[in-house]
Amino acid sequence: DAKTTQPPSMDCAEGRAANLPCNHSTISGNEYVYWYRQIHSQGPQYIIHGLKNNETNEMASLIITEDRKSSTLILPHATLRDTAVYYCIVRVRNNNDMRFGAGTRLTVKP
Amino acid sequence: GEEVAQTPKHLVRGEGQKAKLYCAPIKGHSYVFWYQQVLKNEFKFLISFQNENVFDETGMPKERFSAKCLPNSPCSLEIQATKLEDSAVYFCASSYDRGSEKLFFGSGTQLSVL
Repeated sequence: DAKTTQPPSMDCAEGRAANLPCNHSTISGNEYVYWYRQIHSQGPQYIIHGLKNNETNEMASLIITEDRKSSTLILPHATLRDTAVYYCIVRVRNNNDMRFGAGTRLTVKP
Repeated sequence: GEEVAQTPKHLVRGEGQKAKLYCAPIKGHSYVFWYQQVLKNEFKFLISFQNENVFDETGMPKERFSAKCLPNSPCSLEIQATKLEDSAVYFCASSYDRGSEKLFFGSGTQLSVL
């Protein structure tokens, strides 16, 4: 699976949009982009995934560049409870495991 | 059940003792995964199962670590003769099938080896 690069940390003001970038320049055509987050010491939680089209669900939006070499996770109105480590993962859909990197520690501040 | 249940939440062992961790996947999920997270750093994939069969064990240390998923029983991860560096949070996850985009994680077992 392709390697991803994320900034180690980011801050965001409460109520503002949080934009978390991820570089995956070696992504293959059949690899999806997945986002998970880990709040405090809980188990990771699935957020969203996509292949090449932008995706939106009740939690977030995922914007994937046309060349698919990078993506951005958007939390439209960040709350204090969104403070967590966010992991960007690229994975072949039928691969059997997620390989997590170091992630981005997002701190939402009042 | 509707969530992945891991027991115990905390486990303390002296160096050289055995540690056994348990995981009950979500009912109906065919795949189970074990991950090790040391000091809130990156996750290390250990092993995965498709029902009771080992699917991928490329992350399992060759010595001391073993895992099983038997029918009608929780899955287990066992560490023989624990070492200080085994101290970590061990997460179990399950998914409905191989192509599922979602892994559902348990809350982890904190293993402390003293």
